[in-house]
Amino acid sequence: AQSVTQLGSHVSVSEGALVLLRCNYSSSVPPYLFWYVQYPNQGLQLLLKYTTGATLVKGINGFEAEFKKSETSFHLTKPSAHMSDAAEYFCAVSVGMDSSYKLIFGSGTRLLVRP
Amino acid sequence: DTGVSQDPRHKITKRGQNVTFRCDPISEHNRLYWYRQTLGQGPEFLTYFQNEAQLEKSRLLSDRFSAERPKGSFSTLEIQRTEQGDSAMYLCASSKQPWQTTYEQYFGPGTRLTVT
Repeated sequence: AQSVTQLGSHVSVSEGALVLLRCNYSSSVPPYLFWYVQYPNQGLQLLLKYTTGATLVKGINGFEAEFKKSETSFHLTKPSAHMSDAAEYFCAVSVGMDSSYKLIFGSGTRLLVRP
Repeated sequence: DTGVSQDPRHKITKRGQNVTFRCDPISEHNRLYWYRQTLGQGPEFLTYFQNEAQLEKSRLLSDRFSAERPKGSFSTLEIQRTEQGDSAMYLCASSKQPWQTTYEQYFGPGTRLTVT
């Protein structure tokens, strides 16, 4: 069965510093992986996705993530944090084996950006 | 493309009452998913539809929960005899058919349910 683990429920960085949010997945088949961002009292917005092809994927707002099969990881990075990046971030894997493609989410990482 | 919409955005109800939420997906999307998100957790899958057919229900979806998508467009999620444990954010998402897309789902703003 697929699962997702996000290390660190809270990450705090200074404005302008590197952002690194960690995600490890478990999947018995090649995974489809996603990062979503959620602002308070709002739904989830897709940041980026990996399905096939290039393992370094770029998303919106300057975020990118690298799929590393050997490490079963899909960590999210951004070179320079902005105050507007403060939000909750969710990593998710899509379940395709049963044709549902439902998403299995990690428990989330809250990013705090200090001025 | 107006995005996924959900109504109401907030609902406060007393324990034992019935509530119904509505989701309008992106118009050309055949698949519609419902998730539940409790405080401090990631969303959890509840059920999904392909067109009007409900193809899977999670074990989280007790007998008090029912979902419909009568004409393959909007969907409703009803909770009967609400309990305090039903308090959560209910999220709806939609997507194209798997072979038409790269599997991403687009989420609505959610309905926050508070049961008192």
